[in-house]
Amino acid sequence: EAGVVQSPRYKIIEKKQPVAFWCNPISGHNTLYWYRQNLGQGPELLIRYENEEAVDDSQLPKDRFSAERLKGVDSTLKIQPAELGDSAVYLCASSVTNGKLFFGSGTQLSVL
Amino acid sequence: EDKVVQSPLSLVVHEGDTVTLNCSYEVTNFRSLLWYKQEKKAPTFLFMLTSSGIEKKSGRLSSILDKKELFSILNITATQTGDSAIYLCAVMGGAGSYQLTFGKGTKLSVIP
Repeated sequence: EAGVVQSPRYKIIEKKQPVAFWCNPISGHNTLYWYRQNLGQGPELLIRYENEEAVDDSQLPKDRFSAERLKGVDSTLKIQPAELGDSAVYLCASSVTNGKLFFGSGTQLSVL
Repeated sequence: EDKVVQSPLSLVVHEGDTVTLNCSYEVTNFRSLLWYKQEKKAPTFLFMLTSSGIEKKSGRLSSILDKKELFSILNITATQTGDSAIYLCAVMGGAGSYQLTFGKGTKLSVIP
């Protein structure tokens, strides 16, 4: 069974540039999460989708971050413009409702 | 505000030692507590606990939940160098009942 697929694995950009991350969840998982993990910290939720609906985006910095999951399957997370403090690992995860989360390998973002 | 606190934050042991990792939590609408192992980027699932007093075991790892005292422990016996990782505790619950809040993790280093 294919796991959660994320791309790219690494991204290096200059500040003020835009960046986008892509996630394809496990087939049949209706819930999709985007987390951000800073060094030495646990993952912090950015947004959670149930199918195509964003049901929790309270921690998403909406001035520069956006996300979409148009057909309730794969999802993209965008940052525009990126700031130095956005350097982190961005993790996507999926689950069935109320089930354990399966994580992708993450995208390590470095903003210079 | 929901809170998950793990201790210790880091731990160095010798191969063969037994370790106990701690996780305490304060969360509304508790549903479950999950343990993950993070070696590189993708956290991998270890246990999901929903009931007090029932120990979950997988090989040398075991975990138990105390819902009255609001904590869980993860035990690893006969540690091996391959157990070196960050162990994350997460609690599902919160205002939306399906929020997963992570602790900062315990970094375990097992030396030969």
